[in-house]
Amino acid sequence: QLQLQESGPGLVKPSETLSLTCTVSGDSISSSHYYWAWIRQPPGKGLEWMGSIYYSGNTYYNPSVNSRITISIDMSKNQFSLKLTSVTAADTAVYSCVAFGEITGGIDHWGQGRLVTASS
Amino acid sequence: SYELTQPPSVSVSPGQPARITCSGDALPKQYAFWYQRKPGQAPVLIIYKDDERPSGIPERFSGSSSGTTVTLTISGVEAEDEADYYCQSSDSSGTYYVFGAGTRVSVL
Repeated sequence: QLQLQESGPGLVKPSETLSLTCTVSGDSISSSHYYWAWIRQPPGKGLEWMGSIYYSGNTYYNPSVNSRITISIDMSKNQFSLKLTSVTAADTAVYSCVAFGEITGGIDHWGQGRLVTASS
Repeated sequence: SYELTQPPSVSVSPGQPARITCSGDALPKQYAFWYQRKPGQAPVLIIYKDDERPSGIPERFSGSSSGTTVTLTISGVEAEDEADYYCQSSDSSGTYYVFGAGTRVSVL
């Protein structure tokens, strides 16, 4: 069974960079069975897709954060990462790493989520 | 930016059907997906590609599509179905994903 686990600081100062890592277990991150993404949910609000990365390294980002986001993959560690620069209070959210399934085309697996608060 | 529109809430009595709609201009071209989220838990995919049900999802959950609207139907609501339901799809290019704002299903 595929499992994903987020890690990284839970508190980031405004104007600084949010960095999170997702460790994948149960399958290789280079597997063609999945592609990877970050989803966030601000307190009291809905889900927001932030961006996706494929095993080829191709990335796609939500236009709302396109100028601030980088998603990368480290196959040697079976991990993928999120960096979001110039954070503000509006970036406070639970950040989840997810796996889209090749068969369903939907999100088959979710990490437990990591609350990141942007505050001084 | 592309948006999917869902009703904020639906209330239904046990055993009655619940229908949740999701509207978006690109839905005739792009598949829709439905997720159930209960408090403190990760969302669960309950419908994929408009009307397919993953293994392990009860048969009372079904999906349908008509034009720019997709619908999630719970044929006979049970107390355990009380949750938030999110639709998800892509823009017309299929490049960017978007979620609806979510619908809270309350079982009376």
